[in-house]
Amino acid sequence: DTAVSQTPKYLVTQMGNDKSIKCEQNLGHDTMYWYKQDSKKFLKIMFSYNNKELIINETVPNRFSPKSPDKAHLNLHINSLELGDSAVYFCASSPGGAGPYNEQFFGPGTRLTVL
Amino acid sequence: GQSLEQPSEVTAVEGAIVQINCTYQTSGFYGLSWYQQHDGGAPTFLSYNGLDGLEETGRFSSFLSRSDSYGYLLLQELQMKDSASYFCAGGLNRDDKIIFGKGTRLHILP
Repeated sequence: DTAVSQTPKYLVTQMGNDKSIKCEQNLGHDTMYWYKQDSKKFLKIMFSYNNKELIINETVPNRFSPKSPDKAHLNLHINSLELGDSAVYFCASSPGGAGPYNEQFFGPGTRLTVL
Repeated sequence: GQSLEQPSEVTAVEGAIVQINCTYQTSGFYGLSWYQQHDGGAPTFLSYNGLDGLEETGRFSSFLSRSDSYGYLLLQELQMKDSASYFCAGGLNRDDKIIFGKGTRLHILP
């Protein structure tokens, strides 16, 4: 049983396109996250939702828009893709709030390549 | 600003003990977590220190000293499968976002 799943696993697209990544968790967790991991493996939070409410919104270009239809799903839509958006995007979830005391469960990642 | 500093790489021998340090540059981190990430994989949670002192989980232990703004992950009886990147992560408040260090790549020699 997959705890946190993401689709697609790989995404190759041209600059200027719009794409979406989907995330689902079956753990019953209240909080979900999107992280970006760049080529140097630096892991940086982008957004977090708690029970469908946006609680963390880091300094991210407004081309990135998260959407949480329910607390088990958190999708990420990216408009007008740029070369610098190439990275691995991880979805994660945790049972409580966003703090460090809460173990975060990560999805397998989506490797986005923008050509 | 807030940041966590870790060595970029550490090399150790199979069966040995290795310590990966993490220092943070701002006062008052609520707690420190550690995550492991194998190449091509997702980060997985290893441990959390909410109080000063040592937390032990099998071959892995983690330590926190708030007064020194310092923590470490200790891996004992190293196995080849421990070759991975290790990230410390902290947050300023109980429910604040966590900030990850840049990760330490652990190389294990046979």
